[in-house]
Amino acid sequence: KQEVTQIPAALSVPEGENLVLNCSFTDSAIYNLQWFRQDPGKGLTSLLLIQSSQREQTSGRLNASLDKSSGRSTLYIAASQPGDSATYLCAVRPGMHNTDKLIFGTGTRLQVFP
Amino acid sequence: DAGVIQSPRHEVTEMGQEVTLRCKPISGHDYLFWYRQTMMRGLELLIYFNNNVPIDDSGMPEDRFSAKMPNASFSTLKIQPSEPRDSAVYFCASTPRLGGTDTQYFGPGTRLTVL
Repeated sequence: KQEVTQIPAALSVPEGENLVLNCSFTDSAIYNLQWFRQDPGKGLTSLLLIQSSQREQTSGRLNASLDKSSGRSTLYIAASQPGDSATYLCAVRPGMHNTDKLIFGTGTRLQVFP
Repeated sequence: DAGVIQSPRHEVTEMGQEVTLRCKPISGHDYLFWYRQTMMRGLELLIYFNNNVPIDDSGMPEDRFSAKMPNASFSTLKIQPSEPRDSAVYFCASTPRLGGTDTQYFGPGTRLTVL
């Protein structure tokens, strides 16, 4: 059974720092992995999606990497800003069939203070 | 497009009452998902539909929960009777397809409190 873990559960950093959020999964046979952002009282917004054949994806100050063999993904945030404060969740899709559901980690709550 | 719309945003009810949560997916999206989020269990998929047909309801916790999608623009999640342990945030999400690069678009959620 696929399990997704995120460490740390919470992180507080000063503005301007570069930071790394970690996601690990127990079964390396995945179809894709996504990183989502969740603001308080709101739904999830997709940030980056990495296909199983890819090693990384970049969007602005965000870079997500994927190492399937070790069951790990990292989300790198460069030059963090207070607006980056949110909960970040990773989610794994086990396969490409309609019955393959996203499996979410429990998230990392990030606070960036001025 | 206005995105995925959910109502109500907040619901407070007493144990034993019926609760109905509503969702309007993004127009043209063939898949609709219902999730539940709690501190203890994180985000869990309850059920999802493809073209208004339920595909996988294995996440529905028990018979007190039911979901319907009478047409492409509307879905409901009903809890009857509600219990305090049902207190959670319920999200609806939609996506045009389950392809490799297609993500799910989430609504703002309904925060349910059962007293």
